[in-house]
This record gives sequence, C-alpha cells and structure tokens, in this order.
Amino acid sequence: DSGVTQTPKHLITATGQRVTLRCSPRSGDLSVYWYQQSLDQGLQFLIQYYNGEERAKGNILERFSAQQFPDLHSELNLSSLELGDSALYFCASSVGGLAGGIETQYFGPGTRLLVL
Amino acid sequence: DQQVKQNSPSLSVQEGRISILNCDYTNSMFDYFLWYKKYPAEGPTFLISISSIKDKNEDGRFTVFLNKSAKHLSLHIVPSQPGDSAVYFCAAPLYGQNFVFGPGTRLSVLP
Repeated sequence: DSGVTQTPKHLITATGQRVTLRCSPRSGDLSVYWYQQSLDQGLQFLIQYYNGEERAKGNILERFSAQQFPDLHSELNLSSLELGDSALYFCASSVGGLAGGIETQYFGPGTRLLVL
Repeated sequence: DQQVKQNSPSLSVQEGRISILNCDYTNSMFDYFLWYKKYPAEGPTFLISISSIKDKNEDGRFTVFLNKSAKHLSLHIVPSQPGDSAVYFCAAPLYGQNFVFGPGTRLSVLP
C-alpha cells in the first residue's frame, strides 16, 4: 500500500460526458502528479501540482483540467469525453520541494475509465 | 516520439535464473533513471534508480547498469523469483519531477 488513494476504481461513461477523478496523496506529501496509461503504452505525464499550485504541464488536453485543494487532495476533470480517453489514470505523490533533486513518486492504484 | 523505449514487450525466465530487462533512451539530457514495477490492479512502485554519474547501482537482487555512450540501461534480477512476475517500467525525468516512462516489459518468472 503506497498510501496514495484514488477513487473511483472503475468508471464507465458515455462519449460527451464529464467525469471527475479524485486522489489523496500520502500524508505529508505536497506534490501530486497525474498520469494517463492507454493500452500498451507507457505512462504519459499529464500535470503536476505542488502545494495547491500548478507546477508543470505535460501532454494534457484542453478538455482536461486539474486542481489541488487546500487539504492537498487533487481532482482531475475530464470533459467532452471521447472513446480514445479510455485509459488507466494514475495519481502519484511525492514529498515535494526538493530543489534540483529527484524524488520518488508513490503511485495510487489508478482509476480505470471506459468511455462507450 | 518515444524518448524511452523498451523494445521487449514480454520476457519469460525460469525461477532462479537471471532476468535482464532492457531500456534505451534517445534524449542525451537525461541524467537520472528509475525502474518501477507494476502488479495487476496496483499502481507502479519504485524499484531502483541510477544517476548518470554512475554506471552501476545495486540493491539486493536488483542491479541496474547504465551505458551512457550507448544510451542504454538494463535491470538485472538475480536470482529471479515467481514474485518478480510483473510489468517493469523504465523512466527518466524530462525536467524537474516530470517522468517519461517507457511502455513496459512484462516479466514472467516460471516455477
């Protein structure tokens, strides 16, 4: 158990809909990351938040947005869903704040999204 | 453009033998590499890392080798155990903490 929780575990929805994925980081971690893993692909970095502020953006579509709340949990919002958005979405957390250092990221179990 | 490549989607090894998982990268700016292991229905877990100032890092049964001139790294597991059966991802920070992951290699250790 990494200490990172994600809800829901599974989500089935239709094209055009909007969903929200939730992540609670490990206790004390300030940084949260979102990744997408499509079939047979590696994890694609989407976005990072540090202590409530966006720190870095990866290949995140404009239809997707995220935020980190004062209690440090994070939500990833996916809108106008398309079939190709079906994937595993992982959240990870790290201590955060290490200037120039590489921190171990601890991953949650993921949310499996299926868009029909 | 895949900056981190794992060209073997799967690998089968007999229990007790050595498992060698390979990873190639194209971005010469990468200076740190990580291996993550993933079991079904779980998120990836950190396994071992190596900085580009080293060519080898060892942790118990796991050793990672880095060949910077060839832009290649490998993970050796000796001896392999059935519990090592998982998907292994190679990753590198592109900038800051933003990791680029390879597509993974599924290792099966046969009893």
